[in-house]
Amino acid sequence: LAKTTQPISMDSYEGQEVNITCSHNNIATNDYITWYQQFPSQGPRFIIQGYKTKVTNEVASLFIPADRKSSTLSLPRVSLSDTAVYYCLVGGRSGGGADGLTFGKGTHLIIQP
Amino acid sequence: DSGVTQTPKHLITATGQRVTLRCSPRSGDLSVYWYQQSLDQGLQFLIQYYNGEERAKGNILERFSAQQFPDLHSELNLSSLELGDSALYFCASSITTGSSYNEQFFGPGTRLTVL
Repeated sequence: LAKTTQPISMDSYEGQEVNITCSHNNIATNDYITWYQQFPSQGPRFIIQGYKTKVTNEVASLFIPADRKSSTLSLPRVSLSDTAVYYCLVGGRSGGGADGLTFGKGTHLIIQP
Repeated sequence: DSGVTQTPKHLITATGQRVTLRCSPRSGDLSVYWYQQSLDQGLQFLIQYYNGEERAKGNILERFSAQQFPDLHSELNLSSLELGDSALYFCASSITTGSSYNEQFFGPGTRLTVL
């Protein structure tokens, strides 16, 4: 499984755009890049997933360069409620169903007023 | 609400004991995953079941076992409990159609405290 490296913590202010970058140099051809969000004492929640280029949904955007060795989660106009741990995951198999996810330490994002 | 339910919410027991954690997946999901989250180890994948059969194994100890029943609910059995087993145990489910990577939906977790 590809190992991921992301910042331990970040902070920002309400209304700002926050970008969290994840490195995954050993990503395999079949690997997807997925981001989860976790609040204290709650289970992780899926945010976004991508394979290449750019993916956007109602809560975030995911930018993946052509070499796929890194990815950036972009949260537009963050609010206090976006304070959470964000995990970057690489894995899963296309055609074979999902394996267990490998979570790293995650990035502790703190949003201040 | 993810649609995944876990019971009990809290469990306090003594070392050497055995406990069973229960998980009901979202309606229609065939895969169930178990994860352990402790302060020092982070969130770790333990085991996956798909439609009643073991599909993938992670860092699961031999003292731990799991199964998925015909109605697709799953149980995680932890035996000979040690202090270090104190953690949050999460269950997650996914459709796992086999055509592509599927989002996992996590339950609220069971907090196990071993005294």
